[in-house]
Amino acid sequence: GEDVEQSLFLSVREGDSSVINCTYTDSSSTYLYWYKQEPGAGLQLLTYIFSNMDMKQDQRLTVLLNKKDKHLSLRIADTQTGDSAIYFCAEGTNAGNMLTFGGGTRLMVKP
Amino acid sequence: DAGVTQSPTHLIKTRGQQVTLRCSPKSGHDTVSWYQQALGQGPQFIFQYYEEEERQRGNFPDRFSGHQFPNYSSELNVNALLLGDSALYLCASSLGLAGGKETQYFGPGTRLLVL
Repeated sequence: GEDVEQSLFLSVREGDSSVINCTYTDSSSTYLYWYKQEPGAGLQLLTYIFSNMDMKQDQRLTVLLNKKDKHLSLRIADTQTGDSAIYFCAEGTNAGNMLTFGGGTRLMVKP
Repeated sequence: DAGVTQSPTHLIKTRGQQVTLRCSPKSGHDTVSWYQQALGQGPQFIFQYYEEEERQRGNFPDRFSGHQFPNYSSELNVNALLLGDSALYLCASSLGLAGGKETQYFGPGTRLLVL
């Protein structure tokens, strides 16, 4: 079955870049997503990438996809204290619309 | 433009009871998915509704059932509640175009506590 894995925790200093990594197992994944969850809140869609792309940039966010290694990363440039949250990667396929989520990476940004 | 809304925000029930959670999709969306997020974990897919029918289902028992109304809003029902059903229940909406990009937008969730 599908499995999505993320490291549990990342700590960076304000102004540094953050890189959050994710690995997945389903080779039929068509779309890969990054969601942000702040305490007590729902999930906020940050960005997504199609499986036929290698990179996508959206303002401070850069998504890199290595389809051969089934590895996805999210880079946040100039990380701010407001970026402190839990970040989830998720995979989806055309065949169905269910998303399979990783366990989330807690990002802590120190001033 | 209203996003996805869910009610209630919080709910406390006892074991064995039944609960109904509600979701209104983002304007223009016709597909609703439900997820369960246990504390400290990622969301787990429960099921998805499109055109008032269950289109896909995750690995959840029959105690979990749902419904979609003609206005695309949806309900999630859980019968015979167990302590392990305590979680944040998230609703997500999307535009169910066949073969198209179906990015899901999430609501704030309903936090259910079973005592």
